Amino acid sequence: EIVMTQSPATLSVSPGERATLSCRASQSVSSNLAWYQQKPGQAPRLLIYGASTRATGIPARFSGSGSGTEFTLTISSLQSEDFAVYYCQQYNNWPPSFTFGPGTKVDIK
Amino acid sequence: QLQLQESGPGLVKPSETLSLTCSVSGDSISGSSNYWGWIRQPPGKGLEWIGSIYYSGSTYYNPSLKSRVTISVDTSKNQFSLKLSSVTAADTAVYYCASATRAVVAAKLVVWFDPWGQGTLVTVSS
Repeated sequence: EIVMTQSPATLSVSPGERATLSCRASQSVSSNLAWYQQKPGQAPRLLIYGASTRATGIPARFSGSGSGTEFTLTISSLQSEDFAVYYCQQYNNWPPSFTFGPGTKVDIK
Repeated sequence: QLQLQESGPGLVKPSETLSLTCSVSGDSISGSSNYWGWIRQPPGKGLEWIGSIYYSGSTYYNPSLKSRVTISVDTSKNQFSLKLSSVTAADTAVYYCASATRAVVAAKLVVWFDPWGQGTLVTVSS
C-alpha cells in the first residue's frame, strides 16, 4: 500500500505571500498525483492533476510540480479565498486504488 | 455538465448496513470511460477512499474496508450505490461520491476525482 504524507500540517501565511506545500509518496507514483482544496462544509475541489496540470477554471497562481515520490503545490500569492485545507491524492494502476494525504491547513498569519 | 448527488439515511444503528446511492446527471454512467467512486471523511479528519466501480461492474475496494463494502451500478437509473455492513461509530463520516476521470497525460495514464457530490453525513448511533 502506498502511503502519502504531507508537510507541514499547518502553514500560516499572510495574504499576498507565497505558500509551498509538500506531498511525499512512500514509493513512486510517477506523475499520478492530484491536489484538492477543501473549505469547511464543502466537498473537495480539484486543483491539479497529473502532478502539474491545472484543472479547468483554476487560477494561474496555483501550480504543481514533481514526479516519482516528491511533489509540491505552490500558491504564488495567497488570496483570502485560498485559506483552506489542501490534500494530495495518488492513483495506483494495479490494482486500481487511491490514497489521500492527511492534508495541509493553510491559515491566516 | 456532470453532476453527482448522494442520498440515503443520515442515521444508521451499530451493526447494521449503511446504504447510499449516488445519482449521476449530465452523462450516461454506462457510456463513460470513467470510474465512479466513494470517499468518506470522518468529522474533523481527512479523506479516505472506500472503493470504485467501472460501468462494466468491475469493483476495486480499499483493503482496510474490503470485507464490509459492496459497490454496485444500476445503469437503468444512472446510479451507483454503496453498502457498508456491520457499521460502528468509527464509520460516522461525510460520504462523498465522485467521478474518477482517467486520461493520458504526457503518455501516462493518470486518474483523479472530479466532480464530487456535495456529500452526505451518516451518523452511526443507537
